Amino acid sequence: EADIYQTPRYLVIGTGKKITLECSQTMGHDKMYWYQQDPGMELHLIHYSYGVNSTEKGDLSSESTVSRIRTEHFPLTLESARPSHTSQYLCASSEPEYNSPLHFGNGTRLTVT
Amino acid sequence: AQSVTQPDIHITVSEGASLELRCNYSYGATPYLFWYVQSPGQGLQLLLKYFSGDTLVQGIKGFEAEFKRSQSSFNLRKPSVHWSDAAEYFCAVVSNTGNQFYFGTGTSLTVIP
Repeated sequence: EADIYQTPRYLVIGTGKKITLECSQTMGHDKMYWYQQDPGMELHLIHYSYGVNSTEKGDLSSESTVSRIRTEHFPLTLESARPSHTSQYLCASSEPEYNSPLHFGNGTRLTVT
Repeated sequence: AQSVTQPDIHITVSEGASLELRCNYSYGATPYLFWYVQSPGQGLQLLLKYFSGDTLVQGIKGFEAEFKRSQSSFNLRKPSVHWSDAAEYFCAVVSNTGNQFYFGTGTSLTVIP
């Protein structure tokens, strides 16, 4: 059962389009994350948030942006999609305590043509 | 810097056989370690975690893992594999600030009848 929801599950879009990947969680978690996942690679952190109005970039350079206006919502936006953005994007959340495990959504598979 | 190595990209086992997936970590202090499983088209699900104490930890779905500090390892085991265990398995360590999880590249498990 998923307490963290990502939409859409699949998205095929043309180069140059603006897209927003949605992520919502019902667990009241303060911490939220966006990871990029490619086959045979480790998950790369692209953004994270510790709470409302808090956002940070992760290790992986990304042209995306995020916002955290509400605790439960952490959308990711690409202003101008490119084929290099083709990937799976995973949203996760966790409790605020140090080393609390991550809870993942089912992901959005993005293809940019 | 923290890192996780999963030496086996792909493993094939027969149903009913035992399983061991390897994970080695690089970390300067006491590590906090996790194993996650990802079924096709799904997000990552937590199997088990190690923080301290007993070095043999039990998880869901009959999995267990053993922490060996001397070998910097946290191998995942299951005595008898079921066909439904076919999935991708990820080992992870959390940073000393609790800000970031470092994931391995994953091991893909195939179960044959």
